[in-house]
Amino acid sequence: NAGVTQTPKFRVLKTGQSMTLLCAQDMNHEYMYWYRQDPGMGLRLIHYSVGEGTTAKGEVPDGYNVSRLKKQNFLLGLESAAPSQTSVYFCASSQLAGGPVNEQFFGPGTRLTVL
Amino acid sequence: GQNIDQPTEMTATEGAIVQINCTYQTSGFNGLFWYQQHAGEAPTFLSYNVLDGLEEKGRFSSFLSRSKGYSYLLLKELQMKDSASYLCAVMDSNYQLIWGAGTKLIIKP
Repeated sequence: NAGVTQTPKFRVLKTGQSMTLLCAQDMNHEYMYWYRQDPGMGLRLIHYSVGEGTTAKGEVPDGYNVSRLKKQNFLLGLESAAPSQTSVYFCASSQLAGGPVNEQFFGPGTRLTVL
Repeated sequence: GQNIDQPTEMTATEGAIVQINCTYQTSGFNGLFWYQQHAGEAPTFLSYNVLDGLEEKGRFSSFLSRSKGYSYLLLKELQMKDSASYLCAVMDSNYQLIWGAGTKLIIKP
């Protein structure tokens, strides 16, 4: 099992460019999440999905869009990148929302720099 | 608002014991998680508490007091590989995780 994988691992964008981050999980999890992690701050939820074909906004959704066309994949899009979106992006998945056996499993992260 | 507080940085000696505290104020409570994150890597799950009391798992233990909005992670017999950030997260009434900024633990020989 690969667990949760993310592509790309690193990316540099210019302001105004667009890109898509791909997250894939092979654990048949229902829930998937996109977080950003910035220095001195906790992980912040961007968007999440409770199942194939569903998406919902998290704490900091502005400037991002997501899609979950297949259960195993969760895509995060930046339509017009801004320097404020420079961050490390983590994808995570869990079988259900809460409980002792439903911890979130994280991908290795994508380091994005917007110039 | 929702808030998770934990110390920014702590230093301890190899072989010793360290306690990392976490206090929280959230809208609802559906459990508290501790994660470990080595520099440049993804967070990995350490422990989960939903009832008051101590949960022990090898060298790591986690304690919860819901009435005080307080938890701690206790690491015993510290090893150099325990140098990492430790993240406290609370699951709120919407089953979303609210994360603290993390405590960077530095282990000295």
